[in-house]
Order: sequence, then C-alpha cells, then structure tokens
Amino acid sequence: GENVEQHPSTLSVQEGDSAVIKCTYSDSASNYFPWYKQELGKRPQLIIDIRSNVGEKKDQRIAVTLNKTAKHFSLHITETQPEDSAVYFCAAQNNAGNMLTFGGGTRLMVKP
Amino acid sequence: GAVVSQHPSWVICKSGTSVKIECRSLDFQATTMFWYRQFPKQSLMLMATSNEGSKATYEQGVEKDKFLINHASLTLSTLTVTSAHPEDSSFYICSARDLLAGGGWEQYFGPGTRLTVT
Repeated sequence: GENVEQHPSTLSVQEGDSAVIKCTYSDSASNYFPWYKQELGKRPQLIIDIRSNVGEKKDQRIAVTLNKTAKHFSLHITETQPEDSAVYFCAAQNNAGNMLTFGGGTRLMVKP
Repeated sequence: GAVVSQHPSWVICKSGTSVKIECRSLDFQATTMFWYRQFPKQSLMLMATSNEGSKATYEQGVEKDKFLINHASLTLSTLTVTSAHPEDSSFYICSARDLLAGGGWEQYFGPGTRLTVT
C-alpha cells in the first residue's frame, strides 16, 4: 500500500519568514495530493491540492510543488503569520479515489 | 465546498458500553465514506471504508466486530464502538467522497467526535 513520509515533524519560524514542508510517497499510481491544516480539536481543512498532471500550484501565500519522478511534493508558505500556526498534513490519494493516506503531520509554530 | 456533519461532537461513556457516531453528507450524496481515528499529536489513521449498501472494508488491525459500520443511505454512515474500553478513547473523524465536476474525487471531513471512555 501507499506510504507517505512527512518532514519535519515540527517547524518553528519567525513571522514573515517562509515555511517549507516536504512529503514523499511510495505508490507511483497516486495522482492527487492534498494538503490539510488542522487546528487543535478541529477537522482537517483542505488548503491546497495538486494533481499529477501539474508540477506547481499557487494560491496567494501558499504553493505546492510536485515531482512525480522523485515521488515527492512540498508545501510552501510565504510571509507566515501567527494564524498559520497549526498542524499540517500532506496526503496522497490513489487513482480510484478510495484511499487517502496521510503523512505524519508537521506542527508549524509562527512566532510573532 | 460540500459539508459533512458528525454527531455527537463529544461523548463520554463508561467502559463496556457501546457508542454510535453518525456521519452525514449534508448537500451531496456519498456512496463512499471513510472513518479515521486520530490519537493526540498523531496523524489520521484510516480505520475503514464505508460503502453504501454493502459491507465496509476494514484496514489491517481494525476489529470489524468492535467497530461496526453501517452505510444505510447515500447521506449517512454510522460507526458503533462496541464494548468500549479506555484505549478506544480517541478523536474519530469521518469523511465523505464527492465526485468533482472535472473528474476525480475530493474528500470532505466531518468535524470529528471526541470519545472518552472512563
């Protein structure tokens, strides 16, 4: 089955700096890679996603890159703000859409 | 985006009792729903895939007789934790799969249910 590794597990940055979170996956058939932000005790919220036919996607301060050959994808947050502090999860979904495998999560702390 | 609800949001029960958690897709029909469990400071772990009108598919290591799943309609799946024990205390999150207009699927998560077994 799919295996998703996520690094780092914790990340502390100064407000205004950039944050980068990286994930690797094992199943080359996976074709959809969402990123979720989860605040304590709440549901994961989809913040950005990318499909396998695209190498990069950007939405304001958030961008995701995908390297299918190397089977890794990354989340980039620029100009970080304290409200970006949360746990971020990457995930990989198989082609049939019936399995979403999560990475271990990254706790991002943005210091004001 | 699509909305998924869960009920209850928080439940405390005594060891040995059973607890039912409901997951509903409010504005779309979901033939497939998923049940996850999340322990503190850990990732979401898929427990089972719930398919409308058929038996659920359980992940390895998840006891199907302990975690009963019923997906009786296109908008409702239920997870019953039978004979709950303190080690079952966790955050249970469901999600529902919706077909996108351009093809492909997206999962929408419920708000989660925090189960505490005393």
